[in-house]
Amino acid sequence: DAMVIQNPRYQVTQFGKPVTLSCSQTLNHNVMYWYQQKSSQAPKLLFHYYDKDFNNEADTPDNFQSRRPNTSFCFLDIRSPGLGDAAMYLCATSTNSNQPQHFGDGTRLSIL
Amino acid sequence: GENVEQHPSTLSVQEGDSAVIKCTYSDSASNYFPWYKQELGKRPQLIIDIRSNVGEKKDQRIAVTLNKTAKHFSLHITETQPEDSAVYFCAASTSAGTALIFGKGTTLSVSS
Repeated sequence: DAMVIQNPRYQVTQFGKPVTLSCSQTLNHNVMYWYQQKSSQAPKLLFHYYDKDFNNEADTPDNFQSRRPNTSFCFLDIRSPGLGDAAMYLCATSTNSNQPQHFGDGTRLSIL
Repeated sequence: GENVEQHPSTLSVQEGDSAVIKCTYSDSASNYFPWYKQELGKRPQLIIDIRSNVGEKKDQRIAVTLNKTAKHFSLHITETQPEDSAVYFCAASTSAGTALIFGKGTTLSVSS
C-alpha cells in the first residue's frame, strides 16, 4: 500500500498559471520534504517541514511556496511557473532528519 | 558548502560481475549515509544505509562501507543481475541534521 501519495501523477499547466501539487502520508512522520528532479539529475531539495517548522533552502526560488496544514498533508505551490520549472516533483517523509526518507511516486509537471 | 561527490557517473558491467560506486562527503559532522536506487520514471527507493558508528553493513548482495577518516563511503553490489540496472544515488546527512545532500547519481547498466 502506498504510504506517501502524490497527486496528480502528471500535471500540465500554462506558463505563468499558478499550480499546486499535493502530498499526503499515512506514516505519521514528523518531517516532509519537497524535491525537484530534472532529467538525469539528482533530487534537489526545495524545502522541508519539521512538524510545523518550515525550512527553506537558500537557493529555492521565491516562486515556490509550501503549506503543511496538518501532519498528513503538504502542498507545493508554484506561483508563476516558467519553462524551467518543468520537472518531476518528489515528496518524501521521515521520522527524523537522520532517518530513512520514504518517497512518493512524484508528480511530473509540464509547462505549456 | 556541504557537498557529496559520486563516481563514476556511468558504470557498465556484465551479469554476475561486481559493481562498486564511491562517494565522498565534505562535512565531517555527517553521520547518516543512505543509498537510493531509482528506476526510470519511478521514485527513489532506499536500498541500504549506514551510520557513522559502523564501518560496514551488508544485506544479501549489497554492502556499504564507510571510512570516516577519509570521508568516503562505497556501495558494493555482487553477482549483478539485469534488474540491478538503475540510477543509484548516495547521500549524506547535513551537519544541521535537517536534510540530506545527494550525490549526482551513477547509472548502472548490467548486460546479460
